[in-house]
Amino acid sequence: AQKITQTQPGMFVQEKEAVTLDCTYDTSDPSYGLFWYKQPSSGEMIFLIYQGSYDQQNATEGRYSLNFQKARKSANLVISASQLGDSAMYFCAMRSLLTGGTSYGKLTFGQGTILTVHP
Amino acid sequence: GAVVSQHPSRVICKSGTSVKIECRSLDFQATTMFWYRQFPKKSLMLMATSNEGSKATYEQGVEKDKFLINHASLTLSTLTVTSAHPEDSSFYICSARVIDRAYEQYFGPGTRLTVT
Repeated sequence: AQKITQTQPGMFVQEKEAVTLDCTYDTSDPSYGLFWYKQPSSGEMIFLIYQGSYDQQNATEGRYSLNFQKARKSANLVISASQLGDSAMYFCAMRSLLTGGTSYGKLTFGQGTILTVHP
Repeated sequence: GAVVSQHPSRVICKSGTSVKIECRSLDFQATTMFWYRQFPKKSLMLMATSNEGSKATYEQGVEKDKFLINHASLTLSTLTVTSAHPEDSSFYICSARVIDRAYEQYFGPGTRLTVT
């Protein structure tokens, strides 16, 4: 079974500063993918960044970077230079990449973190 | 990125009626689509996995006779909430996985269902 834990129900950050959203995971699968999604108040799920379990380097996408520490089973999201438009709920998710496994293709989500960016 | 649409975006129905929600992948083919349910400020809970041309796979605790899923083509999956009750009121989101790309999965904009 897979489990994603986000321990920060809410986070606050000043505009233009960096913020780290925590995510830890648990899985017995040897191959998996980790995702971060942003969900603004409109409800749409916006894909931000992906990290494969065998990727050697941490993923980066513009102002988003994923601090992947495999031994600690953590996949924290770092948002640099926060903007007011970053205020939203953020979800960490994982999927098994083990073809044919019962969890293949299914995304398991964490509880989410509400990020508020102050001007 | 790829586009997934959902229709309707909002629906209000009376208790006891059925509601159909459509999920379409607009510019790619999806053999697999997923249906999630989300309560306010809560996480997304997977309800079922919809496979084109075969029966959907439901998660534990989800009533398959209440939440009917049909995946008739590579671009369309439908979720029908039968005999809806107020406790079925929720935000329903579908997602579609790109064929042969394990990490690419795109979400629809969601459907807010209110049962009165």
